[in-house]
Amino acid sequence: GQNIDQPTEMTATEGAIVQINCTYQTSGFNGLFWYQQHAGEAPTFLSYNVLDGLEEKGRFSSFLSRSKGYSYLLLKELQMKDSASYLCAGMDSNYQLIWGAGTKLIIKP
Amino acid sequence: IAGITQAPTSQILAAGRRMTLRCTQDMRHNAMYWYRQDLGLGLRLIHYSNTAGTTGKGEVPDGYSVSRANTDDFPLTLASAVPSQTSVYFCASRERDSDEQFFGPGTRLTVL
Repeated sequence: GQNIDQPTEMTATEGAIVQINCTYQTSGFNGLFWYQQHAGEAPTFLSYNVLDGLEEKGRFSSFLSRSKGYSYLLLKELQMKDSASYLCAGMDSNYQLIWGAGTKLIIKP
Repeated sequence: IAGITQAPTSQILAAGRRMTLRCTQDMRHNAMYWYRQDLGLGLRLIHYSNTAGTTGKGEVPDGYSVSRANTDDFPLTLASAVPSQTSVYFCASRERDSDEQFFGPGTRLTVL
């Protein structure tokens, strides 16, 4: 079957670093996506990994290990505006996204 | 228009009524999707369309239908609404080169 697992909720401090993990199982694999979703809003694209390794984009980085079915999103220098849900999604062989339930990130001052 | 629009923004509907949620994109993307999002669950695919004139069933298609008469529009119809269809509905389209999906602002639907 197809499955995406990620923690339900995490708490971190402003200015700190947080890592959100995701494990995936998809029918075929065409990449791993991370989206950010603020409460009451639509998801917006953060990153896409299709090869093993780390992709860095400003304060956000995403890592993929295809052999382990594992990814993480790393957020540095946390700001209050980073309080949101972070959605992990694997793209299957039909180019459809299988979504995790999302990780709600709470940032404390 | 820039991106994807959805209408209405929100709706309260009596059970048994028919309802069409509208979705329009101006990015000329071939692939489009309808998802529902419920608390504690991930986005679940209802129906998709890989190109104008074709549609397919997703994970939770029962009670919903779609059409794709042209590239821009992808309406979702609830033939006879039931309370379990209370949810937030997102329409999305996929850019072919990057595979990134772009989302509309969503429709919050309540069925009483």
